[in-house]
Amino acid sequence: NAGVMQNPRHLVRRRGQEARLRCSPVKGHSHVYWYRQLPEEGLKFMVYLQKENIIDESGMPKERFSAEFPKEGPSILRIQQVVRGDSAAYFCASSPPSDRGQRDTQYFGPGTRLTVL
Amino acid sequence: AQSVTQLDSQVPVFEEAPVELRCNYSSSVSVYLFWYVQYPNQGLQLLLKYLSGSTLVKGINGFEAEFNKSQTSFHLRKPSVHISDTAEYFCAVSDSRGSGGSYIPTFGRGTSLIVHP
Repeated sequence: NAGVMQNPRHLVRRRGQEARLRCSPVKGHSHVYWYRQLPEEGLKFMVYLQKENIIDESGMPKERFSAEFPKEGPSILRIQQVVRGDSAAYFCASSPPSDRGQRDTQYFGPGTRLTVL
Repeated sequence: AQSVTQLDSQVPVFEEAPVELRCNYSSSVSVYLFWYVQYPNQGLQLLLKYLSGSTLVKGINGFEAEFNKSQTSFHLRKPSVHISDTAEYFCAVSDSRGSGGSYIPTFGRGTSLIVHP
């Protein structure tokens, strides 16, 4: 069983460029979560998606950040016009559908480390 | 709103010694509690979780935690640590009040466990 896949693992962007982070959940999982981890801090929730729907985006910055989880393909976290403060590790997690129980348990990917120069 | 406090940012310990990593939470409803471990440059891995039932929870790698409702604590313990236990440990709490019945955890800032030979 493949776990949560994230790519790229490392991403370097200059200020003003766009960053696109990809997440492929565990096969069969229909819930995806994105988190951001700043140095020496815990994970901060950004957004929760199900297939083709954003369920909770209360942790997303109001500007420049967007996320999607299309019917086919990986979930994408997109950051437009990156700034140095966007430098962080971004983690994706997935969980099974409601009817399979264990929706409380999230499986994390290895993260994408974004560096903005 | 729920919150998690990890009282120690760093815990140094000698190999084969016992260790306790402290976690306190606040929430006005029933909660689910988790401990995750993060090895350098990797994603989070679930160590153990408390959902209901017995307050003593056993996890992987010889770790256990005890849910204490009156003290709102969920401390992590291991009777004898190994060098390989050196990692960052995160306590998390969630309830089902999130959008769409989601279980979005709130993470503590993490405790760095450093095991010395």
